[in-house]
Amino acid sequence: DQQVKQNSPSLSVQEGRISILNCDYTNSMFDYFLWYKKYPAEGPTFLISISSIKDKNEDGRFTVFLNKSAKHLSLHIVPSQPGDSAVYFCAANAYSGAGSYQLTFGKGTKLSVIP
Amino acid sequence: EPEVTQTPSHQVTQMGQEVILRCVPISNHLYFYWYRQILGQKVEFLVSFYNNEISEKSEIFDDQFSVERPDGSNFTLKIRSTKLEDSAMYFCASGAGFNEQFFGPGTRLTVL
Repeated sequence: DQQVKQNSPSLSVQEGRISILNCDYTNSMFDYFLWYKKYPAEGPTFLISISSIKDKNEDGRFTVFLNKSAKHLSLHIVPSQPGDSAVYFCAANAYSGAGSYQLTFGKGTKLSVIP
Repeated sequence: EPEVTQTPSHQVTQMGQEVILRCVPISNHLYFYWYRQILGQKVEFLVSFYNNEISEKSEIFDDQFSVERPDGSNFTLKIRSTKLEDSAMYFCASGAGFNEQFFGPGTRLTVL
């Protein structure tokens, strides 16, 4: 039951170019989407998020785009830097009405930025 | 910058033994979570905790699991009788609301 799908397990990009990481979801109840970055042996680090009422959110080099009709979101990193090399997780949440905002994660995309 | 901390970083235990994983969430947060990631798989939700009680739990979180916030700062996950398949990274997370969850570095649990 993959409600959040990241279909590319890996991506390689040259330093200075744009990295585009994609995520699809199936649950129309999701109303908030988050991207996390994870280095080996560390916990996920929050990067950027977007509410379902928006279609774009930007924070420095990171921009997240949401296409609700396609149930698709993407994370753009411009320009990509070698330190961006990590596994990127897309996550979504739907308020359950019980004081809980559990996140449903995708499987992750490993980004390698080549100097 | 405040952060979520977890101890121990690595726990090795024998099958059938009890383990307690500890977390110190960010101090002004109200929502607390446990997730796990089995090697090579995705991060999975276990349980959420709000207002001193469990607010939601997944089907993974069966009777062998329990959570506590014993003293207003720590947040613990107990596994009563560990199984081989409980081997995973366990992540604690906390948040002030729905639009943020900050994760700790994780505890690697190895069940032999």
